[in-house]
Amino acid sequence: GENVEQHPSTLSVQEGDSAVIKCTYSDSASNYFPWYKQELGKRPQLIIDIRSNVGEKKDQRIAVTLNKTAKHFSLHITETQPEDSAVYFCAARDGLTFGKGTHLIIQP
Amino acid sequence: GAGVSQSPSNKVTEKGKDVELRCDPISGHTALYWYRQRLGQGLEFLIYFQGNSAPDKSGLPSDRFSAERTGESVSTLTIQRTQQEDSAVYLCASSLQGLAGEDTQYFGPGTRLTVL
Repeated sequence: GENVEQHPSTLSVQEGDSAVIKCTYSDSASNYFPWYKQELGKRPQLIIDIRSNVGEKKDQRIAVTLNKTAKHFSLHITETQPEDSAVYFCAARDGLTFGKGTHLIIQP
Repeated sequence: GAGVSQSPSNKVTEKGKDVELRCDPISGHTALYWYRQRLGQGLEFLIYFQGNSAPDKSGLPSDRFSAERTGESVSTLTIQRTQQEDSAVYLCASSLQGLAGEDTQYFGPGTRLTVL
């Protein structure tokens, strides 16, 4: 089955700096890679996704890159703000297999 | 319209008892998913329903876990003879087309299950 590894488990950055979270997957048949944001005590919400036919997708301060050959994809958040503080999860295997999450802390 | 709803929001039970968790998906969504999230952990896939197709049960951890879905509406997740390691938040999600459409999953608020 699919295995998704996510790093780092915790990431602390200064407000205004960039944050990068990386995931690797094992199943080369995976074609869909969503990213979710989960604030404390709340439900996960999709923030961006990418499909295997593109290498990069951007939405304002958030971007995702995909390298199918190396089987890894990354989330990039630029100009971080306090409201970006949350746990971020990547997923593969058509969106069913999740990484263990990255706790992003934005330092004021 | 209304989002995904789940009930109860919290459930405390004694070891060995059966529990039933309910999920009401967004109206018109053909796909429904159940996940388990232990404290501080990621989401663990349990089961996936798509229309009238046989469900994908590959994530169910043991035969104590089962789920049903009535048509394209409500789903119930049943855990028999609960164990302390079953304590977690159980999240339900729905999507319009399911895996074939690679579309957005919308999550419910979850049911926090505590097994004493």
